[in-house]
Amino acid sequence: DTAVSQTPKYLVTQMGNDKSIKCEQNLGHDTMYWYKQDSKKFLKIMFSYNNKELIINETVPNRFSPKSPDKAHLNLHINSLELGDSAVYFCASSHRGARNEKLFFGSGTQLSVL
Amino acid sequence: GESVGLHLPTLSVQEGDNSIINCAYSNSASDYFIWYKQESGKGPQFIIDIRSNMDKRQGQRVTVLLNKTVKHLSLQIAATQPGDSAVYFCADPAGYQKVTFGTGTKLQVIP
Repeated sequence: DTAVSQTPKYLVTQMGNDKSIKCEQNLGHDTMYWYKQDSKKFLKIMFSYNNKELIINETVPNRFSPKSPDKAHLNLHINSLELGDSAVYFCASSHRGARNEKLFFGSGTQLSVL
Repeated sequence: GESVGLHLPTLSVQEGDNSIINCAYSNSASDYFIWYKQESGKGPQFIIDIRSNMDKRQGQRVTVLLNKTVKHLSLQIAATQPGDSAVYFCADPAGYQKVTFGTGTKLQVIP
């Protein structure tokens, strides 16, 4: 069973379109995250949710809107896609979201904006 | 600002040799570090962690060393295998719900 699963794996779209990425975890964790990884493999946190509540929003453009219908799901909707949004987006989860917690990552969604 | 950085972006190692991946950190208050392994097309995966009250921690074929004096840690992989080919990150999860990742080192194992 996949612990953290995200769909789709690949997403190719035109500039200006709106797209969504879905994420689900079956680990029973309270905290979920979205990370962005650029072409140089640099990982940067975007959002963090704890029990459906937004905890961290790291100066991400408001074109990005996360939604957590329950603590096992955290989706990412992106409006008006731009070329610079091309990257790999990773969903992750952790047990409590406290300090010194291991993260469990999904396999990533490679977004290509043309 | 605070950062976690790596010395070498790419490391090529002969199969069977030992690999050493280095990481420097700048936050003196950091007291816990995690190494993650990211294989091609996958998300990062936990390998091993170490707390600041330790200098060394060993796992299966992996050892992490922590030198708090110079704010440096290293990941050593014994008898490197092709399956070890990946990007390795050191991470500092000191911030609440916010993990700072290093830039990553790509390990290439030469058969």
